[in-house]
Amino acid sequence: DTAVSQTPKYLVTQMGNDKSIKCEQNLGHDTMYWYKQDSKKFLKIMFSYNNKELIINETVPNRFSPKSPDKAHLNLHINSLELGDSAVYFCASSLRRDRGSTGELFFGEGSRLTVL
Amino acid sequence: GESVGLHLPTLSVQEGDNSIINCAYSNSASDYFIWYKQESGKGPQFIIDIRSNMDKRQGQRVTVLLNKTVKHLSLQIAATQPGDSAVYFCAENKGWGGGFKTIFGAGTRLFVKA
Repeated sequence: DTAVSQTPKYLVTQMGNDKSIKCEQNLGHDTMYWYKQDSKKFLKIMFSYNNKELIINETVPNRFSPKSPDKAHLNLHINSLELGDSAVYFCASSLRRDRGSTGELFFGEGSRLTVL
Repeated sequence: GESVGLHLPTLSVQEGDNSIINCAYSNSASDYFIWYKQESGKGPQFIIDIRSNMDKRQGQRVTVLLNKTVKHLSLQIAATQPGDSAVYFCAENKGWGGGFKTIFGAGTRLFVKA
């Protein structure tokens, strides 16, 4: 009964490959996010979807494409992987603002991507 | 530009002592400031938040202080325990679309010595 679940937990792949990370939340939240955490633990917002609509799209290469088939799922597809894409990718969700949320984020356990 | 930073990258305290983790921010337009705790191999976990129009908020063993004059945020942990060892992030939060845009600071690693 994990609240925010991501798969896979670990992903090792070669440069140039395409890979996807999936995220699902069972909290009934409307907003979902992807964050990237680098080797120095710095967390950076990449994308956010509110009820399947893209609301945040930070300066992320076009090789990264999020997809939200419904408000409980937010997937991340990465094309032509590069060495610098190696990081831990975290999915998160939050209640909508108009439902009284202060913006508390509920994170998944992370997906560690290693590009060789 | 927006930034949330930290004064200390690591902090080592004795079990039972109080811990204070500091954070500086530069964007005054945030709605909330939030502290998260990240244990090894896990995602960040919410600890406590404070609305931008407040100065102090207390939780269970934790207190967050906000000084808007000098744009400073701190997290105080009372009677620090080994289970408090983790990386702590301050973050600033602003409403964005129907959700939020949360910008994280660099993190402080807290070591608790038994």
